[in-house]
Amino acid sequence: EAAVTQSPRNKVAVTGGKVTLSCNQTNNHNNMYWYRQDTGHGLRLIHYSYGAGSTEKGDIPDGYKASRPSQENFSLILELATPSQTSVYFCASGVPDWASAETLYFGSGTRLTVL
Amino acid sequence: QQKVQQSPESLTVSEGAMASLNCTFSDGTSNNFRWYRQHSAKGLEVLVSIFSDGEKEEGRFTAHLNRANLHVSLHIREPQPSDSAVYLCAVSMGGSNNRIFFGDGTQLVVKP
Repeated sequence: EAAVTQSPRNKVAVTGGKVTLSCNQTNNHNNMYWYRQDTGHGLRLIHYSYGAGSTEKGDIPDGYKASRPSQENFSLILELATPSQTSVYFCASGVPDWASAETLYFGSGTRLTVL
Repeated sequence: QQKVQQSPESLTVSEGAMASLNCTFSDGTSNNFRWYRQHSAKGLEVLVSIFSDGEKEEGRFTAHLNRANLHVSLHIREPQPSDSAVYLCAVSMGGSNNRIFFGDGTQLVVKP
């Protein structure tokens, strides 16, 4: 069964610290995404990738970096974490179908709290 | 940029009664639509995808699309308490511009 696995499930960080969120997919999908979900804002796209070595900025990239070292792995990096980055983060993988439409397969999320 | 709005924000129905959720989008060139379900801060799972006007059924879930009215809906037949979750509408244009835009979700509560 296709799977997207995120780690850690929960993370508490201090302001100014570095945080790395990891995502691994066994779907062999080219596309991977990082979203954050906040009450009142729904899902917002942070960074995405079309394959190993590529990263693209989404709608809210400021304060975040991404790394895609392989087809399977996609990381989200907060170099200097701030309390405003407290949120639930979701990773997803996807592959375009015949209409270039895309179904996304999501991980279970990482709850990040920045104190 | 595409705007996707869902209504109502929350909906409570009794077990067995039909549940109807709405989604409007702003870009009339959108051509693919999905409904996702999210249980309690867990990941999303896709329920039904629809690409042309009319309806698409997947088990107890039916999506209706009317692109002229910029509207897509989800109807849940005989909802059960286990269907209590947040339902998100996702819209994209496909092709070379396959960015996906999500609505904020509808919180559905199904009472026994």
